[in-house]
Amino acid sequence: IAGITQAPTSQILAAGRRMTLRCTQDMRHNAMYWYRQDLGLGLRLIHYSNTAGTTGKGEVPDGYSVSRANTDDFPLTLASAVPSQTSVYFCASSGDYTGELFFGEGSRLTVL
Amino acid sequence: GQNIDQPTEMTATEGAIVQINCTYQTSGFNGLFWYQQHAGEAPTFLSYNVLDGLEEKGRFSSFLSRSKGYSYLLLKELQMKDSASYLCAVRDSNYQLIWGAGTKLIIKP
Repeated sequence: IAGITQAPTSQILAAGRRMTLRCTQDMRHNAMYWYRQDLGLGLRLIHYSNTAGTTGKGEVPDGYSVSRANTDDFPLTLASAVPSQTSVYFCASSGDYTGELFFGEGSRLTVL
Repeated sequence: GQNIDQPTEMTATEGAIVQINCTYQTSGFNGLFWYQQHAGEAPTFLSYNVLDGLEEKGRFSSFLSRSKGYSYLLLKELQMKDSASYLCAVRDSNYQLIWGAGTKLIIKP
C-alpha cells in the first residue's frame, strides 16, 4: 500500500539523548516535510525538502536536523533532546500541483 | 504576522448541518486547504480552494472568499464518525502552509 511510514510510533527518551525519527515514502513525491503538533497549536513546520539533495528550515528548526539523500527517505534527528521537544511529529509529502499533503501516522515523542 | 483563526470547539447533532469558519491574514495567497484529523491519527485531506466560490464534495463543501480572507467548511447530514478536528491551512506567497490550531467538532446523538 503506497504511503508514508514513520518509525518509531512512540518513544520515551531521556533528556540529552540523540534520537532519529525515520520517514519513508513510496509515492515518489519530490517534497517532504516534518511537522510537530502540540495541543492548542497548529501544525508547525520544522524542516522541509523540495527535492532530493536539498533541505530548508521551517518555522521551528532549532534543535533539529534533517537530510535527504534520496527521494524516499527524510529522517529527522534531535541531536540532544530537551523536554520542550515532547510532541507528536508528523512526516508528510506532496507531489502534485495542488500541494495536497499526505501524512504519516505520526511519532509520539516524550522527553523526560 | 501571519494568522489563521478558527473556533476551538463546536458541538452539533447527528443528522444536522454544521459550518466551521476560518479567517486568515497571510502574506500572499496560493490556496486554502481543509484537513480532517481524528483523535490520535494523522490529518487527511478534505478540500482545496484557490478561486472564490463553493467546492462541493459529497456531504462536505468548502467556500472561499479571497477578498474577505474567509473560508468555511460545511458538513451536511452529520454522522458520529465526523467527530474530529478540522484544520484550516493557507499557502502563502512562499508556497509555505500556515496552519490554524484546528476546530474540534463534537457530534451528539
